[in-house]
Amino acid sequence: DAGVIQSPRHEVTEMGQEVTLRCKPISGHNSLFWYRQTMMRGLELLIYFNNNVPIDDSGMPEDRFSAKMPNASFSTLKIQPSEPRDSAVYFCASSGTGLNEKLFFGSGTQLSVL
Amino acid sequence: AQTVTQSQPEMSVQEAETVTLSCTYDTSESDYYLFWYKQPPSRQMILVIRQEAYKQQNATENRFSVNFQKAAKSFSLKISDSQLGDAAMYFCAYRSGWEYGNKLVFGAGTILRVKS
Repeated sequence: DAGVIQSPRHEVTEMGQEVTLRCKPISGHNSLFWYRQTMMRGLELLIYFNNNVPIDDSGMPEDRFSAKMPNASFSTLKIQPSEPRDSAVYFCASSGTGLNEKLFFGSGTQLSVL
Repeated sequence: AQTVTQSQPEMSVQEAETVTLSCTYDTSESDYYLFWYKQPPSRQMILVIRQEAYKQQNATENRFSVNFQKAAKSFSLKISDSQLGDAAMYFCAYRSGWEYGNKLVFGAGTILRVKS
């Protein structure tokens, strides 16, 4: 298995632009997580899905952020409009739902908003 | 809400020596899981070791071992025979044994530098 695949690896955009981050979870995993990593706040959970349904989006910072999971093999995190304070590394992770399941992370997307 | 605290922003160790990274957590739950993740400069998050709270025996994985003190809510990571490849950011993480799903709460991280 190729693991959790995220694209793009790097994204540079200007303030006010729309940004879409993409994630393909590991086949067979039914839980998907979006995390954000910054120097100031560390790793924060933004949202997670189970069986394509959002379970907890309490970490989504504001309405400019939205996430979707239209099917079991694809998820997006969208920021519209983007702001410089959104600059961070965004990780996608997936796992099964059993208690002994491990969480597998993608390589992350480094987002820079100028 | 559960919190995880890593009080050491940075640590240094000489190659081949032993180093211990500290982690404390706050929870009212009795059933939970604790993890240490390694993040090298490549950015990849790598699971190092995991401990189930109901197990009294400390987990070990080759050169990595933990000291789990449930009553003190402490979960330190010991790296023996440190190698240059161990240099990375290390995160301690908590997962509820009751809450649905594999949701992790992370500490702020400790940067480990290995000197040759």
